[in-house]
Amino acid sequence: AQSVTQLGSHVSVSEGALVLLRCNYSSSVPPYLFWYVQYPNQGLQLLLKYTTGATLVKGINGFEAEFKKSETSFHLTKPSAHMSDAAEYFCAVSAGYSTLTFGKGTMLLVSP
Amino acid sequence: DAGVIQSPRHEVTEMGQEVTLRCKPISGHNSLFWYRQTMMRGLELLIYFNNNVPIDDSGMPEDRFSAKMPNASFSTLKIQPSEPRDSAVYFCASSLREGSNQPQHFGDGTRLSIL
Repeated sequence: AQSVTQLGSHVSVSEGALVLLRCNYSSSVPPYLFWYVQYPNQGLQLLLKYTTGATLVKGINGFEAEFKKSETSFHLTKPSAHMSDAAEYFCAVSAGYSTLTFGKGTMLLVSP
Repeated sequence: DAGVIQSPRHEVTEMGQEVTLRCKPISGHNSLFWYRQTMMRGLELLIYFNNNVPIDDSGMPEDRFSAKMPNASFSTLKIQPSEPRDSAVYFCASSLREGSNQPQHFGDGTRLSIL
């Protein structure tokens, strides 16, 4: 079985501030991890993924995430928030023969 | 390149009516997924296909829901009869091939309202 926990349903930051969205996972086998972003009235768009290899993964729009096995975490960060980053972000895990399991999502609010 | 295309984008109908949602996956993708998104339950996988064959339909809520994939470029999700609790956004996604390391590419969804 696998699961994802996203801490905080809403995160608020000021423009230019660090963005940190937290994701912890549970998996009995080595996981593959993904972050998706959803803008209003749109589908989910892949930001980045970790499959194997380097644990620090860089994605689109300046986002990156680090896979930490010891902490079972895959937190998403961006050094400087932009107004256009306001959206809902989903962490997802898959492992073995299973399909993606999504977290509940974190709404990122960016204020000027 | 065209992404996953869903139609209609919005559907409003009365309870008891049949609803058909349509999806065209990305050309060359072999796996197709149907999801439902609600505020209460988040994003739920309903069913997925690989090479046009249904692999796992354990997420389909009840017999009122059915899905087909007659060919590699088209899939439908049908609800008959529809009920107000079916109101949600329904997403279709596709991936290049089956496998847990494969990213999924989502359409823009169909917003369904059952009155």
